[in-house]
Amino acid sequence: DVKVTQSSRYLVKRTGEKVFLECVQDMDHENMFWYRQDPGLGLRLIYFSYDVKMKEKGDIPEGYSVSREKKERFSLILESASTNQTSMYLCASSDPGLAGRSTDTQYFGPGTRLTVL
Amino acid sequence: GQSLEQPSEVTAVEGAIVQINCTYQTSGFYGLSWYQQHDGGAPTFLSYNALDGLEETGRFSSFLSRSDSYGYLLLQELQMKDSASYFCAVEGGNFNKFYFGSGTKLNVKP
Repeated sequence: DVKVTQSSRYLVKRTGEKVFLECVQDMDHENMFWYRQDPGLGLRLIYFSYDVKMKEKGDIPEGYSVSREKKERFSLILESASTNQTSMYLCASSDPGLAGRSTDTQYFGPGTRLTVL
Repeated sequence: GQSLEQPSEVTAVEGAIVQINCTYQTSGFYGLSWYQQHDGGAPTFLSYNALDGLEETGRFSSFLSRSDSYGYLLLQELQMKDSASYFCAVEGGNFNKFYFGSGTKLNVKP
């Protein structure tokens, strides 16, 4: 079974702090994603990575950065946390199929509920 | 840009059939996926359609019409455990990017 783990289920930080959210997958997937989920807005893509050291901006990258130094690990960084970044953060991984096309399935981690005070 | 529309909430009784619709607009389209998420849980994959037609997996079926930019998830023989949020997601635009709808909360009543 694919397993995607996230470093914390719940996290409380103060405004202005630098925050690291870690995600690890054990299926050698090439693609990894960070989403945030807010009520009524569904899942919004922050960043994704299709290879080590490669990253692409999603729909809402402002205020975030990412790091992928190893294939299995994808980190989301909040350089200076703000209250509007209070949210549920979900990491996912998937494997590209033929000709670089993504397969149908994304595997999600359990999520990190971040509260910024 | 990308946009997906699905109803915010649907209520049905145990044993019934329910259909959750999803319409989308996207530049470049590769497929439509459906995910289930229980309260407090992570989204889990249900189905994927790349081609027009109906895909059936047990009690769940998913349909896609590419010409209409429309799909639906059909849940049959509803059970209480089916109470959850259901998200449609399109794979479009740049490769490997997924765009999710805002989710449909399904309430199954006895």
